[in-house]
Amino acid sequence: GEDVEQSLFLSVREGDSSVINCTYTDSSSTYLYWYKQEPGAGLQLLTYIFSNMDMKQDQRLTVLLNKKDKHLSLRIADTQTGDSAIYFCAENSSNDYKLSFGAGTTVTVRA
Amino acid sequence: EPEVTQTPSHQVTQMGQEVILRCVPISNHLYFYWYRQILGQKVEFLVSFYNNEISEKSEIFDDQFSVERPDGSNFTLKIRSTKLEDSAMYFCASSEGTNNEQFFGPGTRLTVL
Repeated sequence: GEDVEQSLFLSVREGDSSVINCTYTDSSSTYLYWYKQEPGAGLQLLTYIFSNMDMKQDQRLTVLLNKKDKHLSLRIADTQTGDSAIYFCAENSSNDYKLSFGAGTTVTVRA
Repeated sequence: EPEVTQTPSHQVTQMGQEVILRCVPISNHLYFYWYRQILGQKVEFLVSFYNNEISEKSEIFDDQFSVERPDGSNFTLKIRSTKLEDSAMYFCASSEGTNNEQFFGPGTRLTVL
């Protein structure tokens, strides 16, 4: 079955870049997503990348995909205190409907 | 901007009771989903629904669970006889198609006592 792994914690200083990494096992993954969850809130879709792309940039967010290594990363430039949250990597394949999530990376931004 | 809404935001119930969690997906979306997140754990897929029937379900989605689209706007998850281990945050999501991004609601926190 699908397995998505992420490191659990990241601490970063305000103004620095954050890089959150994710690995997945399903070679038929079609889309890969990054969701953000603030305390007590739902899942907010931040960005996604189609599997035939290797990079996508959206304002402060850069997604890099290494399909050969099944490695996905999310870079947040100029990290702000409002970026403190849990970030989930998720993937879905063309074979099924569901999203498979990683355990989430808790990002803490310190002043 | 259209969004998925869920009610209630928090539901407390006694073990063995039935609960119904409600969702209003985005209006032009055709695919609907339920996920759950037990405190401190991964978000887990429960079920997907399309064209008035279940299209996929996980092992978690046993006979105690059912879904329904009773009218043109609501999408519900029913748990017939709740157990302590059903305590979790339940998220509804919807998408235009299977290969489109899924938009999530804010969740319903279910607490079973």
